[in-house]
Amino acid sequence: DAGITQSPRYKITETGRQVTLMCHQTWSHSYMFWYRQDLGHGLRLIYYSAAADITDKGEVPDGYVVSRSKTENFPLTLESATRSQTSVYFCASSLGFDSYEQYFGPGTRLTVT
Amino acid sequence: EDQVTQSPEALRLQEGESSSLNCSYTVSGLRGLFWYRQDPGKGPEFLFTLYSAGEEKEKERLKATLTKKESFLHITAPKPEDSATYLCAVQFPRYSGGGADGLTFGKGTHLIIQP
Repeated sequence: DAGITQSPRYKITETGRQVTLMCHQTWSHSYMFWYRQDLGHGLRLIYYSAAADITDKGEVPDGYVVSRSKTENFPLTLESATRSQTSVYFCASSLGFDSYEQYFGPGTRLTVT
Repeated sequence: EDQVTQSPEALRLQEGESSSLNCSYTVSGLRGLFWYRQDPGKGPEFLFTLYSAGEEKEKERLKATLTKKESFLHITAPKPEDSATYLCAVQFPRYSGGGADGLTFGKGTHLIIQP
């Protein structure tokens, strides 16, 4: 009964490198989301996905790429990491979009040096 | 302009001292208001969903209420284990023009309960 997991939990990378954050859920939820959490901003939506092969941008998508080949996985890739992408990243999932609560993973703390 | 505002930013209470946290929002057409609890180093944990004015939900020492433009999270006789950051999130209609799809989060209230 893992629910929703993220890996790695902590990552340090250098500016310009590509890095992928993984998210896996065992509930068969249709929707999955990626947020970043920064001091002074709260949680902000990066991308979301309604189903396998269906993704859409959120509030802050620039510099990020997502894919969803399988319902249970939703990786987030930073193609060329920048210091401004230093943040805590949370993955979430839900049964639906409108009016459905989202369930969050434990987060990945990413530092870009 | 923030669409979801939480107050106070931080609150320190003595054990047993009841209080309320506020979440106000500025866009019409609410599709749902959600309360989460977040402990340090962890992801937000879902607490309540409210859909319409007048609705109330309770869980242990917590009670959430909703009016047309704000929600309150009432904490009755809190214990030290209730210390956490409480987040409010609002689901606005899609294409409302004021923000992103998905949930719009407030910045949270950091609650400390002293024994």
